[in-house]
Amino acid sequence: KQEVTQIPAALSVPEGENLVLNCSFTDSAIYNLQWFRQDPGKGLTSLLLIQSSQREQTSGRLNASLDKSSGRSTLYIAASQPGDSATYLCAVQTGANSKLTFGKGITLSVRP
Amino acid sequence: GAGVSQSPSNKVTEKGKDVELRCDPISGHTALYWYRQSLGQGLEFLIYFQGNSAPDKSGLPSDRFSAERTGGSVSTLTIQRTQQEDSAVYLCASSLEQNTEAFFGQGTRLTVV
Repeated sequence: KQEVTQIPAALSVPEGENLVLNCSFTDSAIYNLQWFRQDPGKGLTSLLLIQSSQREQTSGRLNASLDKSSGRSTLYIAASQPGDSATYLCAVQTGANSKLTFGKGITLSVRP
Repeated sequence: GAGVSQSPSNKVTEKGKDVELRCDPISGHTALYWYRQSLGQGLEFLIYFQGNSAPDKSGLPSDRFSAERTGGSVSTLTIQRTQQEDSAVYLCASSLEQNTEAFFGQGTRLTVV
C-alpha cells in the first residue's frame, strides 16, 4: 500500500528565504508525482507534475525534483514571499488507472 | 467553464437526510476523482472514474455512499442517511486521461446537523 509522508507538518520562514519542502513515498513504482497548493477554505491548485521518467520540473520560482529510487521529491521555493503562505501537498499516482495518494501537507507561513 | 465546477459550494443538512453533490469536470477529461477532507485531516480517496472502465470504489467508507458518472462527464456523489461524521469538504478533480495532471474544483462543504 502506497504511503506518502510530508515532514514537518508546519514551517515558518522569513520573507526572502529559499526553502525546500520534502515528500517521501514508500512504493517507488509510481507513474507520476504532483505538487499542489491549498489556501484556507479553497480547493487544490496544481503547481507541478513530474512524470516518472523525469527528474525535475520548473515553474517560475518553483522547482520540483524527483528521485524515484529513493522514494523522494522536493519542492524548492526561491525567494519566498508572504503570498506563498499556504498548505503544500504532494500526491503520487501508482499504476495505471489508479488514484492519487496524498501526503497530509506542509503548512507554510512566510513572515513579512 | 475553464475549470472543474462543483455544486453546491455549501450544504447544511439534517442527520438522516440524503444529499447529492455534483461535479462538472473539465470538458474532454476522461478521469474523475472524488476525495473528502475532514477538518485538519488529509485527503481521503473516495472513488475514481476512468473512461469506460469500471470505477475504483475502494475508498467509499460505507454503503451509504455511492457515485455515478453519466455520459462520461458530470458526476454525482450521493450520501444516504447522512451522519455527523460525514461533515467534511468533498473535492472533485479531473484529468485529461490517466496519469496526467489533475485539476481540482473548489469543493462542497457539507455540514450535517
